[in-house]
Amino acid sequence: NAGVMQNPRHLVRRRGQEARLRCSPMKGHSHVYWYRQLPEEGLKFMVYLQKENIIDESGMPKERFSAEFPKEGPSILRIQQVVRGDSAAYFCASSFSGGTNEKLFFGSGTQLSVL
Amino acid sequence: QQQVKQSPQSLIVQKGGIPIINCAYENTAFDYFPWYQQFPGKGPALLIAIRPDVSEKKEGRFTISFNKSAKQFSLHIMDSQPGDSATYFCAADKRDSGYSTLTFGKGTMLLVSP
Repeated sequence: NAGVMQNPRHLVRRRGQEARLRCSPMKGHSHVYWYRQLPEEGLKFMVYLQKENIIDESGMPKERFSAEFPKEGPSILRIQQVVRGDSAAYFCASSFSGGTNEKLFFGSGTQLSVL
Repeated sequence: QQQVKQSPQSLIVQKGGIPIINCAYENTAFDYFPWYQQFPGKGPALLIAIRPDVSEKKEGRFTISFNKSAKQFSLHIMDSQPGDSATYFCAADKRDSGYSTLTFGKGTMLLVSP
């Protein structure tokens, strides 16, 4: 019973390149959340998706960031034209449903380093 | 504006001691307060959570104390062990939206010495 799988674990990009972070939720989960953790900071909510729908993207920067959760395959967080300030750990979480009292299960994260 | 303030930033206790981590929130719309434990290289894992209609919740060696009027809550770890050494995050959530949008504190790095 695999947990939330994120890959890659570590991603190095040069300024201006694109970063693609993947998240496969737990089996049976159709709700995905993305959080970003800056050094010495708590996790900050970015976006909440259900299959094929973005429900809440209030935490996403307005430019360069996008997320999707297609009918088939993992959820993707895409960062275009990365800058040094994008360097952070990006965590994905999933839940069985999006209702209240749902427990979120987090993946081990992707550490993005922008050179 | 930091909506959930957590202290201390780091904490060292001896084995068997009772570390206490405190959090304060500002938004009275928050109605769910979980604590997460994170080991290096891993994602956060839910440890224990409380709703504001109770003042205390205990699960094993972990206890949350909640003071609604003061808008504060704290985590106590009884009989702490070296294996409890981790970073602990408090969080708050508004469940009226129908889904989770956790607001996290900045974390407390706990070291339990043998």
